[in-house]
Formats: sequence, structure tokens, C-alpha cells
Amino acid sequence: GQNIDQPTEMTATEGAIVQINCTYQTSGFNGLFWYQQHAGEAPTFLSYNVLDGLEEKGRFSSFLSRSKGYSYLLLKELLMKDSASYLCAVRDSNYQLIWGAGTKLIIKP
Amino acid sequence: DTAVSQTPKYLVTQMGNDKSIKCEQNLGHDTMYWYKQDSKKFLKIMFSYNNKELIINETVPNRFSPKSPDKAHLNLHINSLELGDSAVYFCASSQDDSSGGAGIQYFGAGTRLSVL
Repeated sequence: GQNIDQPTEMTATEGAIVQINCTYQTSGFNGLFWYQQHAGEAPTFLSYNVLDGLEEKGRFSSFLSRSKGYSYLLLKELLMKDSASYLCAVRDSNYQLIWGAGTKLIIKP
Repeated sequence: DTAVSQTPKYLVTQMGNDKSIKCEQNLGHDTMYWYKQDSKKFLKIMFSYNNKELIINETVPNRFSPKSPDKAHLNLHINSLELGDSAVYFCASSQDDSSGGAGIQYFGAGTRLSVL
């Protein structure tokens, strides 16, 4: 079956760095997405990786290793507003998006 | 202008009723989706429509039926509502490119359905 694993919850301190991991087992691979979802709001797109390596976008970076079925989202200089759930999603060989359950990130002062 | 809009934002109703949720996107995308997010926050795909054709239909009860009058709209009809239908329902759209495009999905604000 298809499976996306990510930690349920993480806690970090304001100003620090946090890495949220995602491992996947899917039938084929056509890209990996990270979305951010604040409580009570809709998911919003953060990043997209289709080739191995690091994609950097401001304070956020996303890494992909297709051979390992692994990705991480790196958040630097954490702000209180970064408290949210972070969803990993993989597009399979049929171009269907398989979603992880999300990681709830709690930022403490 | 809101890119993906869905109405209503809140819906409180009795068991057994029939209700509809509307969704419209003004992004010119060719694929629209309906998701259900339950209390555990897991996002589950229900349907997607591409150029008016249903291309995904997960194991969703047939009480749920999507209706797409045109590619900018995908409405969700729910018959005989049950307690377990209480959740947040999200509409989304994307411009899919099967030759390698990103296909980023843009979400509406969600409809919070409570069945009493």
C-alpha cells in the first residue's frame, strides 16, 4: 500500500531551527509537496521537490532523496507564527496526491 | 478576489437532512477536488474532477455526490446526513500537468459541517 510517515508533533523554540522529516512508500513518484496549515485554516503551499537535493525559499528549505524515500522541511529563525501543522504529500505514478497525517509544530518563546 | 471560494463556511444540520456545499475557483484551473478533514486532522481525498470528468472516487459513501456544472465549479451534495459526516470539508483546485508540472493545489477556506 501507499504510506507517508511524519512525526505527529514537534516542539521548538522561537529563533531556533527545526527539521520535520517525511518518509514515503508510494507506487511511483512524481513530486513531493509540503503544505502549511494553521489551526482553523486551509492548507497553503510551501514547497515542491521533484529532483534530489535542497530547495531553499527564504527561511524554509525542503530536501528530497528519492532513493531513500525521504524528505525534510527545514525551518530557520523560527517565529511564533510558524506554529502550525506541516503536511507532506507525494504525487504517485497516477499523478494522485497521497497525503501524510501532518506534523503539528509548537513554537515556544 | 478569492481564488478558491466555498460556501457556506459553517453548516449545522440535523441527521437525515440533505445539504450542499458550493465551490468556485477563478484561477482557470482544470482540476478541482473535495477533501474531508476529520477531528484527527487527516486530509482525505474524496473526489476530483478534470474537465468535467470524475477521475478519483475514493471509498466514499454514495450519499456524497459531486456536481460540476462547468470547470470553475465543483459542488458537493450530501444526502441523509449522519453524525460521522461531521468534519471540515475543503475544496481545492490545481492546474495539472502530467508531463511534470507542479500541480500545486490551492484550497478554499473550508466548510465546517456539524451534524446533530
